[in-house]
Amino acid sequence: ETGVTQTPRHLVMGMTNKKSLKCEQHLGHNAMYWYKQSAKKPLELMFVYNFKEQTENNSVPSRFSPECPNSSHLFLHLHTLQPEDSALYLCASSQEGPGLSFGPGTRLTVL
Amino acid sequence: TQLLEQSPQFLSIQEGENLTVYCNSSSVFSSLQWYRQEPGEGPVLLVTVVTGGEVKKLKRLTFQFGDARKDSSLHITAAQPGDTGLYLCAGLQGGSEKLVFGKGTKLTVNP
Repeated sequence: ETGVTQTPRHLVMGMTNKKSLKCEQHLGHNAMYWYKQSAKKPLELMFVYNFKEQTENNSVPSRFSPECPNSSHLFLHLHTLQPEDSALYLCASSQEGPGLSFGPGTRLTVL
Repeated sequence: TQLLEQSPQFLSIQEGENLTVYCNSSSVFSSLQWYRQEPGEGPVLLVTVVTGGEVKKLKRLTFQFGDARKDSSLHITAAQPGDTGLYLCAGLQGGSEKLVFGKGTKLTVNP
């Protein structure tokens, strides 16, 4: 399944680093999402973009900065993260109707 | 307070056994989705149920949506090692159109 791709798959960064996560969807969907998956917690919605416009920012700290240059690409820019930000970051896309297509995720470790 | 409670949290069974996992809430959902997530991958949508009392079958998997649209169950017949994974339910809240995830049931099917 290559509908939604994410790079890198694994990332280790220090608290002072700046890095970016990339997501690309090949499904022609008009909505894209960032989710955070931590151990023992439900998936947490971070950001939603519909037709490149941000429609939801779920009280996410400003050290996470999303960017959606077009309906196929989504980025998550990271800076001055904390160790508790270590998690699996999942990108997803959707079209009309329920059901999300997820990417494989980026496993982020903040030292 | 967890909006969607999934049980059990962990389940380890032998190949060939039957099992049922549950997704419960005190809230009503306009629809409910089930996903399976394998290690190192993103969740994959299995089914969406919309109508109260609806039953859907996907090979050996049977999904049921409660009459009041507050709960759902997933029954697997003759489990196989390939069924191993994290099973997530997600409910779509009417009105807000927000998708809420449970914490998941981690299933291990031993050969």
